Amino acid sequence: QSVLTQSPSVSGTPGQRVTISCSGSTSNIGSNVVNWFQQFPGTAPKLLIYYNDRRPSGVPDRFSGSKSGTSASLAISGLQSEDEAHYYCASWNDSGWVFGGGTKVTVL
Amino acid sequence: DVQLLESGGELVQPGGSLRLSCAASGFTFSNYAMNWVRQAPGKGLEWLSGLSDSGDDTKYAASVKGRFTISRDNSKDTLYLHLNSLRPEDTAVYYCVQDEQLVLWGQGTLVSVSS
Repeated sequence: QSVLTQSPSVSGTPGQRVTISCSGSTSNIGSNVVNWFQQFPGTAPKLLIYYNDRRPSGVPDRFSGSKSGTSASLAISGLQSEDEAHYYCASWNDSGWVFGGGTKVTVL
Repeated sequence: DVQLLESGGELVQPGGSLRLSCAASGFTFSNYAMNWVRQAPGKGLEWLSGLSDSGDDTKYAASVKGRFTISRDNSKDTLYLHLNSLRPEDTAVYYCVQDEQLVLWGQGTLVSVSS
């Protein structure tokens, strides 16, 4: 059981906009930053969004993050086939990072 | 190239011990906090431990506190994780991760705990 709650899966067609939600509490998302990670099968996770809404160099601007209260969201605009992957949210919780269970994005 | 390279993962019996290493290159290792994160087969990510740049401040997840120990040798640009009293549920890929914001991830090393 993950501390942060994500829907297990979301799907969309190429070009569509999809949103992944991440729900937490006042102990984590409500009082700390949220980061998002992208993971392809058999590979290590990659930082996609940090400090709620900032993109590291090289991350396409079709990926965007937001936070409100105890929830956060990752949006993928103009969905592409290469975006099919697992996405994880994470936030600091008292004395360590906590993750969501992950969301599988499928491009139809 | 900025890189983290883990090693030391192997098959170990329940109750056994292991030391994982993470060799850093391409950046000033001593300037960065470091972390260990693991992923059980087919499961999500679990943060295990974090260590400040100087090595003075350590943090652990409740699931491994007292069994795992994080350390670093800044003269060798290497991060370590000592795993003791291993259990089957510790079977996972263990990732070394740079920075307080979990910026750069290594490729991982597989630890299997089984008799």
